[in-house]
Amino acid sequence: EPEVTQTPSHQVTQMGQEVILRCVPISNHLYFYWYRQILGQKVEFLVSFYNNEISEKSEIFDDQFSVERPDGSNFTLKIRSTKLEDSAMYFCASRWGGEGYNEQFFGPGTRLTVL
Amino acid sequence: GNSVTQMEGPVTLSEEAFLTINCTYTATGYPSLFWYVQYPGEGLQLLLKATKADDKGSNKGFEATYRKETTSFHLEKGSVQVSDSAVYFCALSDKYNFNKFYFGSGTKLNVKP
Repeated sequence: EPEVTQTPSHQVTQMGQEVILRCVPISNHLYFYWYRQILGQKVEFLVSFYNNEISEKSEIFDDQFSVERPDGSNFTLKIRSTKLEDSAMYFCASRWGGEGYNEQFFGPGTRLTVL
Repeated sequence: GNSVTQMEGPVTLSEEAFLTINCTYTATGYPSLFWYVQYPGEGLQLLLKATKADDKGSNKGFEATYRKETTSFHLEKGSVQVSDSAVYFCALSDKYNFNKFYFGSGTKLNVKP
């Protein structure tokens, strides 16, 4: 069964460093998402991406964040200068986009630890 | 605005016990409602969903009914197994904006043999 994959599973970085989290969505899906979950808190929407551009973003998704689909398979989240409060689990998701199909398929997540 | 509130965990049950995990929501319009499950080391997997009032979603013995009058979508299972141990997330998506899901904080279920 097709699945969303994410790498790495765990990333440790120093404050101020740039990180790139990688995702491979399901191949025929058209919509892509990033969510994050700070330990003990809710899963929060960060950004949605469709047709090579951001379609919606939350207030969390400030200028330090960017997303890209560099090729036909990868979808990346970049944090330019990490802060301690960026430590969280980051989930990638994708959705086909057909009429009535609003289910999002999630990856296993990348745990980001900022020291 | 849209939001989801679910009961805090962890919930610890013995095998074959009855499970209820409460979920209530606030939404503008008519959302679709979901339960996702996360097994250790894995991603969020869709467990079941309901797209309109009074719909019942069911899968693997789990059920949840979309109750518009009480704005609830409680997850139930009649007899839990050790393999059901996981974190369960209630979520909603706006009927007309599938761009983002609103999640509850997750409820960890531990089932003991």
